[in-house]
Amino acid sequence: DSGVTQTPKHLITATGQRVTLRCSPRSGDLSVYWYQQSLDQGLQFLIQYYNGEERAKGNILERFSAQQFPDLHSELNLSSLELGDSALYFCASSVTDSSSYEQYFGPGTRLTVT
Amino acid sequence: AQSVTQLGSHVSVSEGALVLLRCNYSSSVPPYLFWYVQYPNQGLQLLLKYTSAATLVKGINGFEAEFKKSETSFHLTKPSAHMSDAAEYFCAVMRGGSGTYKYIFGTGTRLKVLA
Repeated sequence: DSGVTQTPKHLITATGQRVTLRCSPRSGDLSVYWYQQSLDQGLQFLIQYYNGEERAKGNILERFSAQQFPDLHSELNLSSLELGDSALYFCASSVTDSSSYEQYFGPGTRLTVT
Repeated sequence: AQSVTQLGSHVSVSEGALVLLRCNYSSSVPPYLFWYVQYPNQGLQLLLKYTSAATLVKGINGFEAEFKKSETSFHLTKPSAHMSDAAEYFCAVMRGGSGTYKYIFGTGTRLKVLA
């Protein structure tokens, strides 16, 4: 158990809908990272937050947004969903935003868009 | 730009045999390198990391990796494979600066251990 929690574990929704994925980092971790894992794209970095502020953006679509709240939990919002958004979404956390600190991954949320 | 290349998307070894998973990086500066393992239906777990302190890095579950600058490689090895090692393994390099760090992952290598 990494200490990172993600809810829900599974999500099935229809095209055009909007969903929110939630992540709680390990106790004491200030950085939260979101990743998308799909068969065709592999593991892709989406976005990073550090202590409530956006720090880095990766291959995140404009239909996706995220935020980190004062209690440090984070939410990833996916809107106007398409079939291609079906994937595993991972959240990871780390102590700081230093490159030498490893990231701890949550169990993921499996999103299926039908 | 920093990136990693994992050679072989699937590797099969017999139980008790040497495990060798290959990772090459491209970087203009000494990188931070990581190996992660993903068991079925689970998130990624850190196996080991290289942060320039020592070229031979020992990780969990008997795995180790050697940083070779001349070959720009960071291959993962384990002397004797166990059935429980069957999983997908990802090499990653940390990219960025001034607080904007992010991982660049390789495409992964799925390890199969044969009885």
